[in-house]
Amino acid sequence: AQSVAQPEDQVNVAEGNPLTVKCTYSVSGNPYLFWYVQYPNRGLQFLLKYITGDNLVKGSYGFEAEFNKSQTSFHLKKPSALVSDSALYFCAVRDTTDSSYKLIFGSGTRLLVRP
Amino acid sequence: GAGVSQSPSNKVTEKGKDVELRCDPISGHTALYWYRQSLGQGLEFLIYFQGNSAPDKSGLPSDRFSAERTGGSVSTLTIQRTQQEDSAVYLCASSLERTQDYGYTFGSGTRLTVV
Repeated sequence: AQSVAQPEDQVNVAEGNPLTVKCTYSVSGNPYLFWYVQYPNRGLQFLLKYITGDNLVKGSYGFEAEFNKSQTSFHLKKPSALVSDSALYFCAVRDTTDSSYKLIFGSGTRLLVRP
Repeated sequence: GAGVSQSPSNKVTEKGKDVELRCDPISGHTALYWYRQSLGQGLEFLIYFQGNSAPDKSGLPSDRFSAERTGGSVSTLTIQRTQQEDSAVYLCASSLERTQDYGYTFGSGTRLTVV
């Protein structure tokens, strides 16, 4: 069965510094990987995805993520954090062998960017 | 509609009562998913609809939970004899079945509180 691990409950960074939010996954087949962000009292918003091709994918708001097959990781990164990036971030995986196409989500990482 | 709409946005109910949560997906989206987000937890998959049928109900936590979808559009999640542990945010998402690699569009959720 597929699973996603986000080992950090919270990540704290200073504004202007680079940030990384970690994600590792486990699937039977090939993975489709996603990052979503949740702002307070809002629904989840799509940030970026990896389906195939270039291992470095770029998404909304200056975020990017790197797919590493050997380490089964898909860490979210941003070169320079903004206070407005403070939110809850979820990594998700879809196993291409799962006919229901469902996404399995990690437990979430709260990002706090201090001024 | 332009987005995924869920109602009510908040629901407080007494333990033992039944509740119905509604999801209006994006027009034309054939796939519909229900997830549950408990405090401090990630998103827990509940059920997947393809059109009006539910080929994957593996996430429903007990037989108190059921869901249906009519006309390939609106879906209702019903929780019978609610318990305090059912308190959570219930999220609905939809996607175009043929483009599963684009992930989902989520609604803003229904916050259920069982007292």
